[in-house]
Amino acid sequence: DIQMTQSPSTLSASVGDRVTITCRASQNINSWLAWYQQQPGKAPKLLIYKASTLESGVSSRFSGSGSGTEFTLTISSLQPDDFATYYCQQYNDYSWTFGQGTKVEIK
Amino acid sequence: EVQLVQSGAEIKKPGESLKISCKASGYSFTTYWIGWVRQMPGKGLEWVGVIYPGDSVSRFGPSFQGQVTMSVDKSMNTAYLQLNSLKASDTAKYFCARCPMGGSYFGDWGQGTLVTVSS
Repeated sequence: DIQMTQSPSTLSASVGDRVTITCRASQNINSWLAWYQQQPGKAPKLLIYKASTLESGVSSRFSGSGSGTEFTLTISSLQPDDFATYYCQQYNDYSWTFGQGTKVEIK
Repeated sequence: EVQLVQSGAEIKKPGESLKISCKASGYSFTTYWIGWVRQMPGKGLEWVGVIYPGDSVSRFGPSFQGQVTMSVDKSMNTAYLQLNSLKASDTAKYFCARCPMGGSYFGDWGQGTLVTVSS
């Protein structure tokens, strides 16, 4: 089974900050990686798929990069609505695994 | 517009069974995989399994094989997740979600069904 490791687990930042979250896969997943944002009590929301493709309607301040085993999600200028938990997910060969999540908190 | 509407919150006793539903609309139900995701209180997301409504082919997450059952009713455009012999550790919110492309990411999500197992 493919394991996904996110870092950091918690991140404290201020409005306007540039924020980067890392996700590592235990084996090569090419670009089969998605990023989700989850607000408390809500369903996750897709932000990025295929490592770097922005989902329609998602702000361009979100961007994704990477391939193989190393991936990053960057928020270029943190906004109040961005304080949430972020998950990466691999979807390789009809097997899915989520990272453990990164909570972005207000500093 | 794609919509996934899940059944309401449930309170069950240990040992009981439960079937959660996920009613789909706004797309061709039989041609897109539907997945299930568990979120235990205060914890992260776990992939439970996926099912292809066209032929009911299923895949399960490593912790869920043999623990849950997935099914569909094509006439009702509805997917189901059945949990048997419930334990307190099954207390969680369960989400259904649609894969917009083959066995891919989850692009559309239901609102979640909170399951509480308590004696």
